[in-house]
Amino acid sequence: SQKIEQNSEALNIQEGKTATLTCNYTNYSPAYLQWYRQDPGRGPVFLLLIRENEKEKRKERLKVTFDTTLKQSLFHITASQPADSATYLCALPSNFGNEKLTFGTGTRLTIIP
Amino acid sequence: DAGITQSPRHKVTETGTPVTLRCHQTENHRYMYWYRQDPGHGLRLIHYSYGVKDTDKGEVSDGYSVSRSKTEDFLLTLESATSSQTSVYFCAISGTSGRFSYNEQFFGPGTRLTVL
Repeated sequence: SQKIEQNSEALNIQEGKTATLTCNYTNYSPAYLQWYRQDPGRGPVFLLLIRENEKEKRKERLKVTFDTTLKQSLFHITASQPADSATYLCALPSNFGNEKLTFGTGTRLTIIP
Repeated sequence: DAGITQSPRHKVTETGTPVTLRCHQTENHRYMYWYRQDPGHGLRLIHYSYGVKDTDKGEVSDGYSVSRSKTEDFLLTLESATSSQTSVYFCAISGTSGRFSYNEQFFGPGTRLTVL
């Protein structure tokens, strides 16, 4: 099964700067990778998906890259705002059938005003 | 939010008692999942279902059982609760899966379970 490592438990970024979060995985290359946001006391919310044949995906101020050679995804939030403060999780399919996901432990992002 | 609810939202119980958590969806999604979330471990899959009466184990299934008698309901049972099962439990649903789909999952609000 996949092992996932997210770069750090916590990350503090000044408002307005770009926050960059890292997700590294081992074992086989997945067909896709997902990013979720989780606020305290709530369930994760799906943000973005990037497929194995896509290098980059954007959604408003979010950008995700996927490097299958490095086995790494980077998640960027540009022009960060305090409202972006949350825990961000990456997830990959656990198996070739894609019906199960393995989640990273998450990075807690705090945007400092 | 996707139409997914969990009950109860909070529960305190004693070691050795049975506990059942309920997940209910109104989206008619095929796939349903139970996760537990603990500090340092993240979300871990307990069991999942790919249809009525069709279930399979996840990575931390010991001590848990599930049942799905209707599309909309997925029950998680702790036959005899232990303190190590103190956790936050999340249910999730997905409408798609398989080799050419991408299994975006929608999560419920969670159940905080404390076993004394």
